[in-house]
Amino acid sequence: TQLLEQSPQFLSIQEGENLTVYCNSSSVFSSLQWYRQEPGEGPVLLVTVVTGGEVKKLKRLTFQFGDARKDSSLHITAAQPGDTGLYLCAGRFKNAGGTSYGKLTFGQGTILTVHP
Amino acid sequence: EPEVTQTPSHQVTQMGQEVILRCVPISNHLYFYWYRQILGQKVEFLVSFYNNEISEKSEIFDDQFSVERPDGSNFTLKIRSTKLEDSAMYFCASSVRAIIGHNEQFFGPGTRLTVL
Repeated sequence: TQLLEQSPQFLSIQEGENLTVYCNSSSVFSSLQWYRQEPGEGPVLLVTVVTGGEVKKLKRLTFQFGDARKDSSLHITAAQPGDTGLYLCAGRFKNAGGTSYGKLTFGQGTILTVHP
Repeated sequence: EPEVTQTPSHQVTQMGQEVILRCVPISNHLYFYWYRQILGQKVEFLVSFYNNEISEKSEIFDDQFSVERPDGSNFTLKIRSTKLEDSAMYFCASSVRAIIGHNEQFFGPGTRLTVL
């Protein structure tokens, strides 16, 4: 069973601060996706990373995929109250035969609160 | 923008009753998924479906669960005899493809199932 660890579980910061959320596994991801989820709603896709070492930017959000494709991070610059929410990483793993199926394995999420 | 829709948004049922949760995936997508999220816990994979058959399922997806694509647009999850522990948010997701490295899954808003 592949496990995906996300940290920290809770993050409470002031507006304007920077923050980083981490997603780690002992297994290699074939791809990894970051989602944001509002209470009572479904996860909304933010980004997909596929290539080791890849960096993607979405306005003030920077997503990195580790060179070995076992970890990823989400960095938010100058956080705003509108960034408040639950951030989820979800990865696809290759099985022993090298095939990657569609199943996503989710982390437990990071609840971010940005205070004005 | 195309989106995944789910009905009903909330379903309350008695233990032992059958429920059918409905989803309309994004129209050009070929792969369909069900996930669930018990309150306060991780999003968990249940099943993936492609070309009118199950391609992968988790150990949660036992004989009480079934999926169907009854027509060209709907994708359903049936729970034959609900248990208290089936109470959760159920999310449908779809993706264009599931090839290695590319699997952007888009989620619906969820159905909250409450089993009394």
